[in-house]
Amino acid sequence: GESVGLHLPTLSVQEGDNSIINCAYSNSASDYFIWYKQESGKGPQFIIDIRSNMDKRQGQRVTVLLNKTVKHLSLQIAATQPGDSAVYFCAETLSGSARQLTFGSGTQLTVLP
Amino acid sequence: EAGVAQSPRYKIIEKRQSVAFWCNPISGHATLYWYQQILGQGPKLLIQFQNNGVVDDSQLPKDRFSAERLKGVDSTLKIQPAKLEDSAVYLCASRKPGQLYEQYFGPGTRLTVT
Repeated sequence: GESVGLHLPTLSVQEGDNSIINCAYSNSASDYFIWYKQESGKGPQFIIDIRSNMDKRQGQRVTVLLNKTVKHLSLQIAATQPGDSAVYFCAETLSGSARQLTFGSGTQLTVLP
Repeated sequence: EAGVAQSPRYKIIEKRQSVAFWCNPISGHATLYWYQQILGQGPKLLIQFQNNGVVDDSQLPKDRFSAERLKGVDSTLKIQPAKLEDSAVYLCASRKPGQLYEQYFGPGTRLTVT
């Protein structure tokens, strides 16, 4: 069936550098994409979302880019901080799916001092 | 605003035993979800409630899993009998009326079946 997946399971960056976390999706009918952050021992926390009719959306230190041509989603974190160390999930939702989310398998981001 | 509460935080049981998890969503959140998160994977939806009614339980293994939300607030998820493959974190999430997709997650219950 359709699924959301990530290119890399782990990513290590130096503190202060920018991070880019990638996600591929396969269902062209998905109309909304969300990034979640999950710290150890905690539930996922909403970061940012983007509608399928948008290419880019910016938040505080984060930017999500959507390329529908290649069905690719990315999360950019500027000036990565130690507190950004976590697992990042992208999730998609389909039109008419009762607003249910399908999560990918996650990328572990580690920020090095 | 208090977050989604879950208990217990950890549970260890032997296979074939039963276990129950409890969730209290954020006040006013009509939609409640239960997810199963196996180590190294993303959360997988088990069941969705709207108030006290089930919206979707198509991915709930109904031969052993059950869930209820009798008064449209708190919810319980039960497994009976448990299998080794049920070892996972069970997450509860809620969504407030008028918001389309943002879900608020609780800390989860880590279940280990031995």
